[in-house]
Amino acid sequence: AQSVSQHNHHVILSEAASLELGCNYSYGGTVNLFWYVQYPGQHLQLLLKYFSGDPLVKGIKGFEAEFIKSKFSFNLRKPSVQWSDTAEYFCAVNARGSQGNLIFGKGTKLSVKP
Amino acid sequence: SQTIHQWPATLVQPVGSPLSLECTVEGTSNPNLYWYRQAAGRGLQLLFYSIGIDQISSEVPQNLSASRPQDRQFILSSKKLLLSDSGFYLCAWSLTSGPYEQYFGPGTRLTVT
Repeated sequence: AQSVSQHNHHVILSEAASLELGCNYSYGGTVNLFWYVQYPGQHLQLLLKYFSGDPLVKGIKGFEAEFIKSKFSFNLRKPSVQWSDTAEYFCAVNARGSQGNLIFGKGTKLSVKP
Repeated sequence: SQTIHQWPATLVQPVGSPLSLECTVEGTSNPNLYWYRQAAGRGLQLLFYSIGIDQISSEVPQNLSASRPQDRQFILSSKKLLLSDSGFYLCAWSLTSGPYEQYFGPGTRLTVT
């Protein structure tokens, strides 16, 4: 069965620090990969996505993620975080042809200190 | 543009009572629809998905059921709630062709007492 692992439950950073959130998935076939963000009191929003092509994808608000197929990883990065990035971040995967059933990781809570 | 609505936003129900949560999508036709439950520290768990009217698949055996009486309406129900049904319920939609990126509603916070 597919699964998604997010290694960090809670990350605390100061403003301007660099961010990297780990995400690994287990599935042998072709996948689509997503990062979602949930700001306090707001909807779950799509941050960025990878389907094919350039494995380095850029999303909203300066976030990027790199798909490394050999490592089954899709880590999220941002060079310099802001207080407004405080949120919970979820990695998700669906298998091609699965009618879009997303498998989510357990989420990583990011707290940015001003 | 597409929007997705869920109601109610919050609900407190006693054990053994029935449940009906509603989700509607505007601005798109024949979407795929999904129900998830989000528990703190446990991510989102897919409960049901639907690729069309009366075409519903259950992912996890539950005390819950889902129905899709209209193209853009998705309902989550229970005949008798359990304490373990408490949680945050999210509805989502996607297009019917890949890569199926999903867009989420605001959610319903259900507390079973």
